[in-house]
Amino acid sequence: QVTLKESGPVLVKPTETLTLTCTVSGFSLSNERMSVSWIRQPPGKALEWLAHIFSNDEKSYSTSLQSRLSISKDTSKSQVVLTMTNMNPVDTATYYCARVRIVSYAMDVWGPGTTVTVSS
Amino acid sequence: DIQMTQSPSSLSASVGDRVTITCRASQSISRYLNWYQQKPGKAPKLLIYAASSLESGVPSRFSGSGSATDFTLTINNLQPEDVATYYCQRGYITPLTFGGGTKVEI
Repeated sequence: QVTLKESGPVLVKPTETLTLTCTVSGFSLSNERMSVSWIRQPPGKALEWLAHIFSNDEKSYSTSLQSRLSISKDTSKSQVVLTMTNMNPVDTATYYCARVRIVSYAMDVWGPGTTVTVSS
Repeated sequence: DIQMTQSPSSLSASVGDRVTITCRASQSISRYLNWYQQKPGKAPKLLIYAASSLESGVPSRFSGSGSATDFTLTINNLQPEDVATYYCQRGYITPLTFGGGTKVEI
């Protein structure tokens, strides 16, 4: 059974750096046919794709947020880590990680999400 | 970046109705288009991939069509459990942009 689970702080202060971890099971991060994306959703708003990491460690970022984002993975720990610098209250959202099938770039398995609030 | 525009932003229909949601890409994306269903408080769920392929376990009343810039998600025989927000998403190459969503109510 494939599962993903996000973890990280519930509350961060403005200007701080957010670090989120996605722990996966049921598939390997070295599988060439699979990869992982991070997506977020502010309260009451639409989904926003943030970043993606492939099995070969190639990375891709949202154009509007790329200066603040960094994605990495530890295949031995089955973890994908997202960092976002200079957090702002507008970054308050539920953050999801999802497995992505390379053939269609469809996100076929999602984590339950973790809610992050940015407030002083 | 390619933009994905969904319409309508919301709709209300009756049980048993046929519902159609449209997604338009700002430039051609071939058939690299996926559809998701999101119920309140839950993570999105993949319904359709590659424009018209039904994900395993998804009821056959859901179907997708289209290519290039214009795509459609159709729900036949709308059921109460289909109340949700539906999103399209560009596939094949990053950025994996989502549409703005369509809220379906009964």
